[in-house]
Amino acid sequence: EMVLTQSPATLSLSPGERATLSCRASQTVRSYLAWYQHKPGQAPRLLIYDASNRATGIPARFSGSGSATDFTLTISSLEPEDFAVYYCQQRDNWPITFGQGTRLEIK
Amino acid sequence: QVQLQESGPGLVKPSQTLSLTCTVSGGSISSGGFYWSWIRQHPGKGLEWIGYIYYSGSTYYNPSLKSRVTMSVDTSKNQFSLSLSSVTAADTAVYYCARDHYNNGWYGLDYWGQGTLVTVSS
Repeated sequence: EMVLTQSPATLSLSPGERATLSCRASQTVRSYLAWYQHKPGQAPRLLIYDASNRATGIPARFSGSGSATDFTLTISSLEPEDFAVYYCQQRDNWPITFGQGTRLEIK
Repeated sequence: QVQLQESGPGLVKPSQTLSLTCTVSGGSISSGGFYWSWIRQHPGKGLEWIGYIYYSGSTYYNPSLKSRVTMSVDTSKNQFSLSLSSVTAADTAVYYCARDHYNNGWYGLDYWGQGTLVTVSS
């Protein structure tokens, strides 16, 4: 099973700052890597698929990058509504797995 | 706009079978290129993929749950379902249904239900 390790576990930042979230895979991922935003009581929201493609309706401040085993989600300038938990997910190796999440909290 | 909605009992007794249904609206479950998925989140924990079913009935389950999981699809009702047998307290979680978009490339789990909490307790 492919393990996705996200870091940091918690990230404390202020609105307007830049957030950089990491996802490291235990094996090479071709490109089937996605990022989701999850707020309490809500459904997870797809942000990025195929490592770097923004999903429909996702603001340009969200961007994804990386390849092989190292992937990054960047939020260029944090808005108040961006504080949430973020998960990476791979669909390259079976079973499909998620990272353990990074909690982005207001500093 | 595609919408998914989970339904089913919120309380299940230990050793019994958990049964949930996901109703899809705004799109046909029989459209090719979509894999209808179940994911769960244990309290305070991360997301765990349970498995998916294609409209044809083909399935793929997480090996960690495979012996207890059965998924089915009812194209006439635009629904798909999850059964998890022999449940224990460790199966207490919020269960989500979602659409996995894979058609000449992968486009992520692009639509999700709101989730339903299932508690296993006597």
